Amino acid sequence: DQQVKQNSPSLSVQEGRISILNCDYTNSMFDYFLWYKKYPAEGPTFLISISSIKDKNEDGRFTVFLNKSAKHLSLHIVPSQPGDSAVYFCAATVGLTSGSRLTFGEGTQLTVNP
Amino acid sequence: EAQVTQNPRYLITVTGKKLTVTCSQNMNHEYMSWYRQDPGLGLRQIYYSMNVEVTDKGDVPEGYKVSRKEKRNFPLILESPSPNQTSLYFCASRLVGSSYNEQFFGPGTRLTVL
Repeated sequence: DQQVKQNSPSLSVQEGRISILNCDYTNSMFDYFLWYKKYPAEGPTFLISISSIKDKNEDGRFTVFLNKSAKHLSLHIVPSQPGDSAVYFCAATVGLTSGSRLTFGEGTQLTVNP
Repeated sequence: EAQVTQNPRYLITVTGKKLTVTCSQNMNHEYMSWYRQDPGLGLRQIYYSMNVEVTDKGDVPEGYKVSRKEKRNFPLILESPSPNQTSLYFCASRLVGSSYNEQFFGPGTRLTVL
């Protein structure tokens, strides 16, 4: 039962254009969402997060949008750069207590072409 | 430098031969966990520990053991590895009470069981 789904295994965009990565979830109890970025031969690193009390969070070129009614979130990267080429994981959790589990999506491989 | 280290980084073994993957962090984090990453499934939590001598099962604990005798170390033990445990493994840590924004991942261990 995949509670967090990233339906696009891969995405290719041109440098300078917008990258939009999508994520859907089924568990309505999730109230905190994160995006991680992973380069080959490295562990995932935290990118940006959003609480369910918000519908948008922005950090530089990265913006995450949350649509609670649709149980959908998206990560926008503008403008995209070749260094953004990586696997992006969406993740969700119920609460922020120490015992809360982090549930990950399958990941989307983003390739930004020069 | 704050980091999570894992050893070995790559391992090829045979079915049934006991192995241990070590994980160590130098940030005095109480919370540590193990994940496995498989194509099409994302990262799934195997075990986690909220402090010394306190461990609990994650989503996919079957076939694995862990121990937490010291705060900095959290080894993953495969008593009798099988081919379905071929995967990419990540150790992670964070402070209890911190959010997942501050979870640090190790570089990963690629395990192949023949």
